Amino acid sequence: DTAVSQTPKYLVTQMGNDKSIKCEQNLGHDTMYWYKQDSKKFLKIMFSYNNKELIINETVPNRFSPKSPDKAHLNLHINSLELGDSAVYFCASSPGLAASTDTQYFGPGTRLTVL
Amino acid sequence: GDSVTQMEGPVTLSEEAFLTINCTYTATGYPSLFWYVQYPGEGLQLLLKATKADDKGSNKGFEATYRKETTSFHLEKGSVQVSDSAVYFCALSPTGTASKLTFGTGTRLQVTL
Repeated sequence: DTAVSQTPKYLVTQMGNDKSIKCEQNLGHDTMYWYKQDSKKFLKIMFSYNNKELIINETVPNRFSPKSPDKAHLNLHINSLELGDSAVYFCASSPGLAASTDTQYFGPGTRLTVL
Repeated sequence: GDSVTQMEGPVTLSEEAFLTINCTYTATGYPSLFWYVQYPGEGLQLLLKATKADDKGSNKGFEATYRKETTSFHLEKGSVQVSDSAVYFCALSPTGTASKLTFGTGTRLQVTL
């Protein structure tokens, strides 16, 4: 039973296209996240939702729009894809917002390649 | 802003060698500190954590001590195995209620027979 799952695992697309990545967690957690890992393995938070509400929104282009239809899902939609969007995108979840006690569990990642 | 600095890799060791991966941080207040591990083709897994000064986190033979005076959280293991080959990330989360991990750049560890 996968705790945090993402689809698709690989995504190859052309510049200018619009694509979505889906994330689901079956841990009953209240908080979900999207992280971006670039080609140098640098990992940076993009968004965080708690009980379907946006609570963290880092400096991310507005071409990126997260959507949380319910607590168990956090999807990432990207408009007008650019070469620089090529990266591995990780979804994560945690029971709540307290970093000291609420461990974040990561999905396996989605490798996005923009040609 | 908050930041985490890790030693550059890759680190290549023979099996049963001693491992140290250095990590220092910059943050206000008293952040929580973490080590995450990423095995090839997988997502990150929490390896260990420490939430206050002088705490020692430990798991699977790995240890790290939260040193406020040197703002460090170095990862150590007395005897590495081939199965420890992975990328190791040091991270912090600031004090407060919003859980927001700031990661270092990761250190690749390769253990050979």
